[in-house]
Amino acid sequence: EVQLVQSGAEVKKPGESLKISCQSSGYVFTNYWIGWVRQMPGKGLEWMGIMYPGDSDIRYSPSFQGQVTISADKSISTTYLQWSSLKASDTAMYYCVRRGSWYIGGHYYYGMDVWGQGTTVTVSS
Amino acid sequence: SSELTQDPAVSVALGQTVRITCQGDSLRNSYANWYQQRPGQAPILVIYAYNSRPSGIPDRFSGSSSGNTASLTITGAQADDEADYYCHSRDSSGYHLGVFGTGTKVTVL
Repeated sequence: EVQLVQSGAEVKKPGESLKISCQSSGYVFTNYWIGWVRQMPGKGLEWMGIMYPGDSDIRYSPSFQGQVTISADKSISTTYLQWSSLKASDTAMYYCVRRGSWYIGGHYYYGMDVWGQGTTVTVSS
Repeated sequence: SSELTQDPAVSVALGQTVRITCQGDSLRNSYANWYQQRPGQAPILVIYAYNSRPSGIPDRFSGSSSGNTASLTITGAQADDEADYYCHSRDSSGYHLGVFGTGTKVTVL
């Protein structure tokens, strides 16, 4: 079974650093893009960035470029999302997602086919 | 523009049909995927590649597209279809990131 299992909830103070994780299982880790999605309390879904562990290619949403760092450890099939200095506005649920692909009628199609359970990050003084 | 706009909320009587729409310029030449997020849960993919369903998604869910509008239709809505639904399509980065719609809350009466 394909699974993404995320690290547990975090409570931090403004200015602190944080690294949350997403461990993949049930598929070849280096063959799929893994991304991160933010959901602020009561709000919608926002793409943060995405990484291809096979060659470490990383794309960031302009809104998150320079605010977070995405990385991976291929040896343990784990992707990370990291902050160097948290703000109260980083309080949110964070989901890791796998970008799946399908070949239909001569075309490739892509979508987020597997989601992690989410990691709640609370930043408060 | 790469924005995708959805109606904030719709309601449907149990067993009836509801259509959720997603509008955006990018939909004129790209497909939308749809995600369901039940309260307190992570989203799941319900429609990809215009009108394909992942394994385990009931066939009462279907997708369609015309012009700048993509639609998700639930035919014979059930109580556990009550959820937030988000469309997603490409942006200037392609589908590496893409953009999510604003979300529609579906209430089953």
